[in-house]
Amino acid sequence: GAVVSQHPSWVICKSGTSVKIECRSLDFQATTMFWYRQFPKQSLMLMATSNEGSKATYEQGVEKDKFLINHASLTLSTLTVTSAHPEDSSFYICSARSTDGADYEQYFGPGTRLTVT
Amino acid sequence: GENVEQHPSTLSVQEGDSAVIKCTYSDSASNYFPWYKQELGKRPQLIIDIRSNVGEKKDQRIAVTLNKTAKHFSLHITETQPEDSAVYFCAASLNKFYFGSGTKLNVKP
Repeated sequence: GAVVSQHPSWVICKSGTSVKIECRSLDFQATTMFWYRQFPKQSLMLMATSNEGSKATYEQGVEKDKFLINHASLTLSTLTVTSAHPEDSSFYICSARSTDGADYEQYFGPGTRLTVT
Repeated sequence: GENVEQHPSTLSVQEGDSAVIKCTYSDSASNYFPWYKQELGKRPQLIIDIRSNVGEKKDQRIAVTLNKTAKHFSLHITETQPEDSAVYFCAASLNKFYFGSGTKLNVKP
């Protein structure tokens, strides 16, 4: 149980285009999902907290107009990187917190490798 | 917000030796402290966690200790094996999760 998927697993896009990444909880409902970015050999940096049916909460320094987050259902959150640039190239990982589980548990997706050329 | 510091950044041990990784946190309200193992290009895997009402937890070769007063917690791996080689992250959480900078553990056979 507690499986989280991400799609796509990797994507290459041209500078200036937008890319959408999906995060799904497959066997549980998630009221809260988190989006992280991880640069090579670095830690996971929390970008935003996504709550079903409400606006995402962004961490300081993260541009909300550039990283659009939508959490339209209890099993799906999307991250759209708008007008992507090479510096946005990174490993993006989501995690989900179950509505039924302990409030401290989170389950990670497999990550999406974004390369902007 | 929360600030989590992790040391050392790299750790090399001989197979069979113990490894200790330490983290400190800044927000005394944090109440959950998980440890993750991440292999290259893969998602973090939870290996052990501890809540703020517990001082120590052990699971086979892995143990975690928490000192709430000092706001630090540590991961202890005993009888290390080559397959323990990976990057380990600590995290501190109240509602959100904040990660340490990671420790690359290398277990030499």
